[in-house]
Amino acid sequence: DAGVIQSPRHEVTEMGQEVTLRCKPISGHNSLFWYRQTMMRGLELLIYFNNNVPIDDSGMPEDRFSAKMPNASFSTLKIQPSEPRDSAVYFCASTFSGDQETQYFGPGTRLLVL
Amino acid sequence: GEDVEQSLFLSVREGDSSVINCTYTDSSSTYLYWYKQEPGAGLQLLTYIFSNMDMKQDQRLTVLLNKKDKHLSLRIADTQTGDSAIYFCAVFSGGYNKLIFGAGTRLAVHP
Repeated sequence: DAGVIQSPRHEVTEMGQEVTLRCKPISGHNSLFWYRQTMMRGLELLIYFNNNVPIDDSGMPEDRFSAKMPNASFSTLKIQPSEPRDSAVYFCASTFSGDQETQYFGPGTRLLVL
Repeated sequence: GEDVEQSLFLSVREGDSSVINCTYTDSSSTYLYWYKQEPGAGLQLLTYIFSNMDMKQDQRLTVLLNKKDKHLSLRIADTQTGDSAIYFCAVFSGGYNKLIFGAGTRLAVHP
């Protein structure tokens, strides 16, 4: 089992640039979550999907952030335009909803916006 | 909103037991989890407990749940330097239908 796959693992970009983070959930899982982790705010849930449909996006910071899940095996989190305060580690997690709700995390994408 | 609280730091001597504590507010929580995060890595699921259980043991790990006091603990027996990491308590909130994470407890193991 490959686990949750995220790319890129590291991203350095300049303020104002568009950033796209990618996630491939574990095969067979039907829920996918995007989290952001910073020293100041800890782990925050940004958005989650169930069966490819966004269920709760109340954690998305602002309109600069958007997420899509075009199919069961792929999701993107986009930041446009990026700002230095977006610097964080972004995690994707997946689960089979109904299976103790156990979420399995990817390795994360470490984003630095200069 | 729902809240999960943990102490931020714990320092133990190698070979001793570590106890990491967590309190939560959601009385409708069904599943409670412990995750481990090593430097530069993602969160790794360590163990979980269902809310109708009081205790769960898995090798060196013991999870205790006091549902009345909404208190969860993780005991690591014979703590090793490889156990140094951040440990997150997480509670599945039935009301919000999502996992609520604590801020994490940084465990430092010294010789």
